[in-house]
Amino acid sequence: AQSVTQPDIHITVSEGASLELRCNYSYGATPYLFWYVQSPGQGLQLLLKYFSGDTLVQGIKGFEAEFKRSQSSFNLRKPSVHWSDAAEYFCAVAASGTYKYIFGTGTRLKVLA
Amino acid sequence: NAGVTQTPKFRVLKTGQSMTLLCAQDMNHEYMYWYRQDPGMGLRLIHYSVGEGTTAKGEVPDGYNVSRLKKQNFLLGLESAAPSQTSVYFCASARTSVSSSYEQYFGPGTRLTVT
Repeated sequence: AQSVTQPDIHITVSEGASLELRCNYSYGATPYLFWYVQSPGQGLQLLLKYFSGDTLVQGIKGFEAEFKRSQSSFNLRKPSVHWSDAAEYFCAVAASGTYKYIFGTGTRLKVLA
Repeated sequence: NAGVTQTPKFRVLKTGQSMTLLCAQDMNHEYMYWYRQDPGMGLRLIHYSVGEGTTAKGEVPDGYNVSRLKKQNFLLGLESAAPSQTSVYFCASARTSVSSSYEQYFGPGTRLTVT
C-alpha cells in the first residue's frame, strides 16, 4: 500500500537560514510526488511536483525538491527562508492512473526573526 | 476564474443535526474530492468523483454521503452529525490529462464544529 511519511512534525529555523523538509514514500512504481503549503486558515497551494524527467524540480517561492528513487525520498529545500514561509507543508503521492493522493501528516515550519 | 469555492466557511452543528457542504469549481475538471483535515493526521480522503453522476468511497467514508449531479458541483452531506466529525473539510478538483500531471486544486475549506 502507498504511504507517505513526514518525520518532522515541527521545524524551527531562523530567517535567512536554509531549510530542508523530509518526505519519504512507499510505492512500488514511480510515483507522482507533490509538495503543498498551507498558510494558517487557508487552503492548500501547490509548491512543486515531480512527474517524470529531471529529478531536481523547481517550484514557486524559491523552493526546490529532489526525487531520490534509491532512498524513496522527495525532500523540499529552500536556501534562505523568509518569515512569510512560516506555514504547514504537506508531501503527497499519487499512484499512476488513480488521481488520488495520499498525504503525509505535515510539517509545521516556524521562522524566527 | 474563481477556482474552487466552498460554502459555508464555518458551521456549528448539534449532535444529530444534518447539513450539506457545497463545493463548486469553474475549471471544467472531471475529478472532485472531499477531504477532512484533523491535527496531526494530514488530509484524509472521504469520497471522490471521477465524473458527473459517479461517486466513490475514499479512506474515511463512514457517516458521509456525496452527490455529483452536475459536473461543476460536488456535495458532501452529513445525515446525523457526531462530535467526531468536527474537522476542517477541503474540496479539491483535478483535470484528468497527462499534461495536468495529476495536480489538484483546493478550496479554502469549511470549518465544522459538532457539539
